[in-house]
Amino acid sequence: SQQGEEDPQALSIQEGENATMNCSYKTSINNLQWYRQNSGRGLVHLILIRSNEREKHSGRLRVTLDTSKKSSSLLITASRAADTASYFCATVFYNQGGKLIFGQGTELSVKP
Amino acid sequence: DAGITQSPRHKVTETGTPVTLRCHQTENHRYMYWYRQDPGHGLRLIHYSYGVKDTDKGEVSDGYSVSRSKTEDFLLTLESATSSQTSVYFCAIAVTGGAGELFFGEGSRLTVL
Repeated sequence: SQQGEEDPQALSIQEGENATMNCSYKTSINNLQWYRQNSGRGLVHLILIRSNEREKHSGRLRVTLDTSKKSSSLLITASRAADTASYFCATVFYNQGGKLIFGQGTELSVKP
Repeated sequence: DAGITQSPRHKVTETGTPVTLRCHQTENHRYMYWYRQDPGHGLRLIHYSYGVKDTDKGEVSDGYSVSRSKTEDFLLTLESATSSQTSVYFCAIAVTGGAGELFFGEGSRLTVL
């Protein structure tokens, strides 16, 4: 399977703590994206990082990409209860533009 | 709001019956996608389209067909529904091209008895 694998599958933290989620993939990518899904809703795009980029920031989100290790991480700083959701990485593989493959997701619970 | 709607939002059907799910967009984007979401499997790509009458298979296309006769509509058909196709189906559109970010619909929950 070309599917990315995410780690951990579930994460429970206290408000104010940082949350780190990891994603690994198997073949060369065009870009890697992170999405968030609140229970019962569709996914919402968070951030896209291209294969020639190493780090991107968006508000409290920080994404890193290590193409040599075929891995990415999503860091949410100063977590809030409202960050409780499932987070998915998705990859667009090189020479397969248009085909976006998702990982299984990390379920984040932020306790007040 | 990318103007994407799915219908029906909920459907219960019986094994062996045909089912069609509709995804409609209001903005003429080229790329459209159908995913299914099941516990423990995340989202899996069923089929996607990169233009009118241009479609390609995803990871789990067996038992599904798609059609795109006009830009705004992407139909997913289960020719003969099975219980293993009980799932939540999500449609998505790419607003900046095939390798860009996706906007998702709210999902269609299908139960096959």
